[in-house]
Parts: sequence; structure tokens; C-alpha cells
Amino acid sequence: EPEVTQTPSHQVTQMGQEVILRCVPISNHLYFYWYRQILGQKVEFLVSFYNNEISEKSEIFDDQFSVERPDGSNFTLKIRSTKLEDSAMYFCASKSATGREKLFFGSGTQLSVL
Amino acid sequence: AQTVTQSQPEMSVQEAETVTLSCTYDTSESNYYLFWYKQPPSRQMILVIRQEAYKQQNATENRFSVNFQKAAKSFSLKISDSQLGDTAMYFCAFMKLNTNAGKSTFGDGTTLTVKP
Repeated sequence: EPEVTQTPSHQVTQMGQEVILRCVPISNHLYFYWYRQILGQKVEFLVSFYNNEISEKSEIFDDQFSVERPDGSNFTLKIRSTKLEDSAMYFCASKSATGREKLFFGSGTQLSVL
Repeated sequence: AQTVTQSQPEMSVQEAETVTLSCTYDTSESNYYLFWYKQPPSRQMILVIRQEAYKQQNATENRFSVNFQKAAKSFSLKISDSQLGDTAMYFCAFMKLNTNAGKSTFGDGTTLTVKP
């Protein structure tokens, strides 16, 4: 079965630094998402992306966050100035355009902000 | 806005027994999907089962089945013949149908422990 690939699997950064989390969605998918999960808590929606623009974002997704699809395969999440509370597992997900509404999740990037 | 509630933070079951995890949700939408995801210690999110709200028949995937009660907005997961590998966090999730956003709303999760 095709997979969503996320890199790196672990990222450690200093508070105030910029990080870029990378995702390669499934090749024929058109809808892309970022979710995050703080340890021990629920999975929270951050942002959805379709047709080269953000289609919806949550309150968590403030000006420190941005997403980009720089080429035909990658989908990135950038955090400009990381805070301690940004420490979480970040999941990328994608789905196809043709319904059945099945999200394919990547294996996540664990971000630790020190 | 949609909400998803999982009222059982933790559950345990003996190997080979059956366990049911509860989920209720609140929405004004009439067309939507409901999901159960499994998250083992590796923290990978694995889709267990999906239910389309317009289908009356309850979804089944091998040992996993749901009891979908649309009027009651209830969506429970039954795991039959529980196996040690079923030990994981289970999340119930809701998604509106056919929107460009397609975001999912997750419950708080239920930690299931299968005991030998």
C-alpha cells in the first residue's frame, strides 16, 4: 500500500529556532494536512491544504506556522520561532480527491524544543 | 463545530475476550464519516475501521466491528477475540463529507490493554 513519508522522525531544536518538517504525500493525492499530538493528548488538526492554498486552519496555526508545497512531491510545515509548547508529534496526512474519505497518515515527526 | 467524546480513558480486557470502546459525537451535519484509529506505542496512526453516516449497515473489518447509532450519535468499536497486539490507544474521529478542508476531529482516546 502507498505510504506518506515524513522526515525526520525526530527533530531536536533550541527554543527560538526555525524548523521545517517535511512530508511526501501519496503521489496522486490532492489534499494535505498537518496534525499534531502533544504527548498523552488527543490528535489536533493544524491545517489543510488543497489546490496550492490553505483551505482551513485551526487556532493553533498562528503566524509562526506556515505550509508550503515547493514542488510536486513535498509538503512542508515551517515553525518560524519554536516555543517549548511546540514540542509534539507532528503528523502529515493526505487523501485523494475521489472520495471514500480515507486519510493516510505518515509515521510522524517527534519535535522536541529545548 | 464538531465534538467527539470518548468517555473511557482506559480499558483492559483478557486475551481472547471481547471489548467495546465507546464514542459519542455532536454535529449538525447529516453527511459525514466516522473512524477508529489505533495508535500503538510506536505512535503510528493506523486506520482500523471507517463508517459512512449514510450507510445503515455497521462496518466490519475482521475482528473489528462498529455499532453505529446515528440518531443517538454513538459510534462504538467492538474488538472480538482480543489479541496482545491490540494493546494501543484508540481514537474515534469525525470528518465532514466532501469538503475541501476534510479535517478530522479526534476524541481524547482510550488506552486499551490486552492482558495475557
